[in-house]
Amino acid sequence: RKEVEQDPGPFNVPEGATVAFNCTYSNSASQSFFWYRQDCRKEPKLLMSVYSSGNEDGRFTAQLNRASQYISLLIRDSKLSDSATYLCVVNGEDSNYQLIWGAGTKLIIKP
Amino acid sequence: SQTIHQWPATLVQPVGSPLSLECTVEGTSNPNLYWYRQAAGRGLQLLFYSVGIGQISSEVPQNLSASRPQDRQFILSSKKLLLSDSGFYLCAWSGVPSAKLFFGSGTQLSVL
Repeated sequence: RKEVEQDPGPFNVPEGATVAFNCTYSNSASQSFFWYRQDCRKEPKLLMSVYSSGNEDGRFTAQLNRASQYISLLIRDSKLSDSATYLCVVNGEDSNYQLIWGAGTKLIIKP
Repeated sequence: SQTIHQWPATLVQPVGSPLSLECTVEGTSNPNLYWYRQAAGRGLQLLFYSVGIGQISSEVPQNLSASRPQDRQFILSSKKLLLSDSGFYLCAWSGVPSAKLFFGSGTQLSVL
């Protein structure tokens, strides 16, 4: 089992719709969780950290489910500019310095 | 504010040639520095990290090496590139371990 797994997609979603995707992780002791956004051939950029109680930033909501070991990202009222690959990141078990990256979920917002 | 610079943006090198990618951070001191490689359709793979000048940890055995000659400078090198070294290389920094990372703009390396 991969340490961090994501559905690669692509998710094809009409503009204005709501879309959600999950990310599962294997290390039950993980404490740090993040969602990054990456545009094609660009560097990843932090979208939001994920907190135990869940958190919201505008149209984006992140949730953590420790019992089932997954985090989720919900995007409401999707915009064309939301088209990107969304990377799930979790701190690993071997080293405090290593973050384990999912391969990403590709999202395509269609007009 | 903090900024991170990475260059070059693209690089085409023949097999067996040397490599030097440079990364510098501004606006912070004693950052944790990282070199990642991203292969198509795969998650970022941590190559090296550094918690201070001259302190380098390698996560995977490979044809590459890293150095940190100054507090905010991180260099990725190879003496002889292999075809398998092709990929998208990213430098990043963080304030503390396992914290959010801030990336340079990346280098697309093609070894031919």
